[in-house]
Amino acid sequence: GAVVSQHPSRVICKSGTSVKIECRSLDFQATTMFWYRQFPKQSLMLMATSNEGSKATYEQGVEKDKFLINHASLTLSTLTVTSAHPEDSSFYICSARDEGSGGTTDTQYFGPGTRLTVL
Amino acid sequence: GESVGLHLPTLSVQEGDNSIINCAYSNSASDYFIWYKQESGKGPQFIIDIRSNMDKRQGQRVTVLLNKTVKHLSLQIAATQPGDSAVYFCAERGQGGKLIFGQGTELSVKP
Repeated sequence: GAVVSQHPSRVICKSGTSVKIECRSLDFQATTMFWYRQFPKQSLMLMATSNEGSKATYEQGVEKDKFLINHASLTLSTLTVTSAHPEDSSFYICSARDEGSGGTTDTQYFGPGTRLTVL
Repeated sequence: GESVGLHLPTLSVQEGDNSIINCAYSNSASDYFIWYKQESGKGPQFIIDIRSNMDKRQGQRVTVLLNKTVKHLSLQIAATQPGDSAVYFCAERGQGGKLIFGQGTELSVKP
């Protein structure tokens, strides 16, 4: 099945630093990837839609200058949390949409998530 | 706005029993629904999906039922096992392919 990886799986950083999280589709190409954040005991909240070769589309209330998204290739999207603060501590999850093979499922496959802790 | 909600935040079942997890959605125009399983500290794992032109779809030990009249979705797990313990989310596909997740139900399986 389709596999999506994230790196790193866990990161601890100091307040004010920037952190980059990578999301890769390993065995399929994805023109569209999505970034979510999830707080403990809560659901996934969509932050932005990452589009290969164009600007990301951010959900209402998500600061685009704080959460920089780059989708430079069909298999890689990156999320950079700039000037991180303790309130940015969360579980960040990406997904990639498998649109290929002429299938109709249009299924999104999720990465394993990245636990960010800002001290 | 669009929303997808669950009726029960927690569900505890005995090993071997069947589990039923429910979900209500609000957008009658939604045409695609997915159930995901999320274990602690991991990303969501696809379980089963269903399109709005169907009312039932079966997988291995799982069945999804869709009632468009009352905008209700359910996930049935047969012969629930300890490995099924996790949080289950329903999701509704919105505009642009975005997924809108419900609040989640935590399933606990007692041995």
